[in-house]
Amino acid sequence: DTEVTQTPKHLVMGMTNKKSLKCEQHMGHRAMYWYKQKAKKPPELMFVYSYEKLSINESVPSRFSPECPNSSLLNLHLHALQPEDSALYLCASSQGTGWSGGNEQFFGPGTRLTVL
Amino acid sequence: AQSVSQHNHHVILSEAASLELGCNYSYGGTVNLFWYVQYPGQHLQLLLKYFSGDPLVKGIKGFEAEFIKSKFSFNLRKPSVQWSDTAEYFCAVNAWSDYKLSFGAGTTVTVRA
Repeated sequence: DTEVTQTPKHLVMGMTNKKSLKCEQHMGHRAMYWYKQKAKKPPELMFVYSYEKLSINESVPSRFSPECPNSSLLNLHLHALQPEDSALYLCASSQGTGWSGGNEQFFGPGTRLTVL
Repeated sequence: AQSVSQHNHHVILSEAASLELGCNYSYGGTVNLFWYVQYPGQHLQLLLKYFSGDPLVKGIKGFEAEFIKSKFSFNLRKPSVQWSDTAEYFCAVNAWSDYKLSFGAGTTVTVRA
């Protein structure tokens, strides 16, 4: 199984709502990532988890809160978002760094988020 | 930190024409190199990758790329494009010891039938 799954596919939320995005992989990967992508722009890294611990936070506002319950799951909790946070949120996973096969990241299909 | 530049912002060509997209990166150490494609309304898909070995790599859908270490380049090519190749193309670079995948700004490719 070389798939990263994400739910939901689409999400519409108000600025006062609390919602969560979910990501799952069963490839035994030890690193998992959250990216934000605006239309026709490259993905922007938000967070990296390595061995279930937060390894990188790219100065993301606290209204985005990541969580890694176990090695296969990654959540992104959303609270008090702004309309400019509307974007495609991508999850990815990889074997990790220093791996002889390279740190190829496998991307999920994304959650298209609209904040009203 | 590594950076990636893609030479073309928007490329328009006719079916059966040849395509070449330029990608240069700045990083002195060992790197992994990738080309991703994103078709309209779809998610990122890996076209091809280079980790080591033969610098000419072949990917899916008839794409290939050549790694030229001395020029810090990883250009993407396809001899004959189809209308279905209309998409956004991203070059990406990852230092061997780093989690971060640095993307270029992307090239929009429009193929006219």
